[in-house]
Amino acid sequence: DQQVKQNSPSLSVQEGRISILNCDYTNSMFDYFLWYKKYPAEGPTFLISISSIKDKNEDGRFTVFLNKSAKHLSLHIVPSQPGDSAVYFCAASEDKLIFGTGTRLQVFP
Amino acid sequence: DTGVSQDPRHKITKRGQNVTFRCDPISEHNRLYWYRQTLGQGPEFLTYFQNEAQLEKSRLLSDRFSAERPKGSFSTLEIQRTEQGDSAMYLCASSLARGLAHEQFFGPGTRLTVL
Repeated sequence: DQQVKQNSPSLSVQEGRISILNCDYTNSMFDYFLWYKKYPAEGPTFLISISSIKDKNEDGRFTVFLNKSAKHLSLHIVPSQPGDSAVYFCAASEDKLIFGTGTRLQVFP
Repeated sequence: DTGVSQDPRHKITKRGQNVTFRCDPISEHNRLYWYRQTLGQGPEFLTYFQNEAQLEKSRLLSDRFSAERPKGSFSTLEIQRTEQGDSAMYLCASSLARGLAHEQFFGPGTRLTVL
């Protein structure tokens, strides 16, 4: 069973607009979440994380929001840039990482 | 470059052969993880080490798979009697022990193709 779910396999956004990537989880014991970005033929690159004691964490153009009651987190990228085009994975940390299936983001001019 | 490195980057083998992959973590990281990723899926956990001790193995890790980290530095992942279903990207990651940092840093991966 999939404990971390990314229900949108793809997202297309115009350059300069906001990209919102969503992630749901089932295990209420998860207490730390991470977002990774992956380009083809490369390993995932860490982007941003959030602890369950917070509901928001911001780093430059990237903001992660956590709604514990809904077991939902989202990654906002604003403004979106063509270089953001990649696959984005959310993950829950349980020492090991439990990943979602990813969302492919395409940012077009 | 002080990131995680993996060798080889690509491996093509015939069914039934044995293969071995190597991972060199970031030098000060005491935890080392192996994941496997297939097309359309996120990385799936296989096993991890803290220093030289193997602390957890996934049910995905059949008895054909073995991993070692003999001196607490680099690690090897061996697959014996490879099957076509073993074709995947094998990813290595390293981190400091939990409680200090959760972030894992990934290598570029080894892409295995079993013919």
